[in-house]
Amino acid sequence: GAGVSQSPRYKVAKRGQDVALRCDPISGHVSLFWYQQALGQGPEFLTYFQNEAQLDKSGLPSDRFFAERPEGSVSTLKIQRTQQEDSAVYLCASSLEQAGYTFGSGTRLTVV
Amino acid sequence: GNSVTQMEGPVTLSEEAFLTINCTYTATGYPSLFWYVQYPGEGLQLLLKATKADDKGSNKGFEATYRKETTSFHLEKGSVQVSDSAVYFCALRDMGRRALTFGSGTRLQVQP
Repeated sequence: GAGVSQSPRYKVAKRGQDVALRCDPISGHVSLFWYQQALGQGPEFLTYFQNEAQLDKSGLPSDRFFAERPEGSVSTLKIQRTQQEDSAVYLCASSLEQAGYTFGSGTRLTVV
Repeated sequence: GNSVTQMEGPVTLSEEAFLTINCTYTATGYPSLFWYVQYPGEGLQLLLKATKADDKGSNKGFEATYRKETTSFHLEKGSVQVSDSAVYFCALRDMGRRALTFGSGTRLQVQP
């Protein structure tokens, strides 16, 4: 596609519920990144894939967060047993090697 | 660790005023530096970048110079427009890493 597509655009989850956030990167982009952006803050790195390999997951805040990219294109970020502090905008970005990122518009997660 | 510090907003200016948004960084190596812009309801967009000391990035009338001696990358524009109203993020990418480290963002409001 023309850009990075994320779905859903908005998600409201009850505390304790599991959620799955989807990212469709630009076709052919090797690298894919997930970031978490709390209200009024800058994005914070969560994890990075090169094709299907998860090369860096140092930013995942707990073992409730899990990301996958099984075929090297679409990626899913899963959050288990959501808590209120998980409320944020989750941003996905993709890039060709050695090129700049293209960000999606994000998924706004609200945990109530 | 790496960090980016930006001036707090909001910055409110009249149209055609001069803009400076300060950004300083801490990094272990020789990072690449970026400015991203986020318009309301849209994803982050790369505004400009610089990859080594004394490089000047420029785009759409905005400029920033990589100053290694002061560890700074201040964003400037000579004459702002209402359409420049957005949130601006300074970011760095350290050598050998693909992840970006962002500042907390500075909201710019330009009044007609």
